[in-house]
Amino acid sequence: DAKTTQPPSMDCAEGRAANLPCNHSTISGNEYVYWYRQIHSQGPQYIIHGLKNNETNEMASLIITEDRKSSTLILPHATLRDTAVYYCIVRGSGSGNTGKLIFGQGTTLQVKP
Amino acid sequence: DAGVIQSPRHEVTEMGQEVTLRCKPISGHDYLFWYRQTMMRGLELLIYFNNNVPIDDSGMPEDRFSAKMPNASFSTLKIQPSEPRDSAVYFCASRRRGGGEKLFFGSGTQLSVL
Repeated sequence: DAKTTQPPSMDCAEGRAANLPCNHSTISGNEYVYWYRQIHSQGPQYIIHGLKNNETNEMASLIITEDRKSSTLILPHATLRDTAVYYCIVRGSGSGNTGKLIFGQGTTLQVKP
Repeated sequence: DAGVIQSPRHEVTEMGQEVTLRCKPISGHDYLFWYRQTMMRGLELLIYFNNNVPIDDSGMPEDRFSAKMPNASFSTLKIQPSEPRDSAVYFCASRRRGGGEKLFFGSGTQLSVL
């Protein structure tokens, strides 16, 4: 699986958009980009995933560059409850090695009032 | 849906004792995963089941660890005997068939072995 690089920490003002970048320059054609977050003392929470098109759901938007070497997770209106560690994970399709998600260090997002 | 349910939420035990962690996956999910999270090693996959059958237990650290899934709605992770280095947060997760890597995690069991 491709390695990902994320900034260790970011701040965001409450109510503003939070843009979390991720580099995955070695991603291959059949690998998806997944985003999870982990709020303190809770289990990881799936946010969104995509292959090459931009994706949006009720939680966030995922913007993947045309060359697929980087992506950005966007929380459109961050709240204090969005304070968490955000993980960008690249995984291939298919059932082989399922569940072996490498969470890495992630980005600690601090949403401030 | 209540999500993935784990019990107990916290467990404190003494070295040498048997510990049993429990998990109820989301109804209809075919895959169940057990993870362990520590500061040093991050989140590690211990074992996963597909349709109640263990598929990959290569992450189980030692023979002291065992996991079972007697039916589609229940799984256990047992440590016998427990050791202080087993102290960690243990998560259970599940997903449906064809769900890629979209996993749903429980709230975890904080295990402390004294």
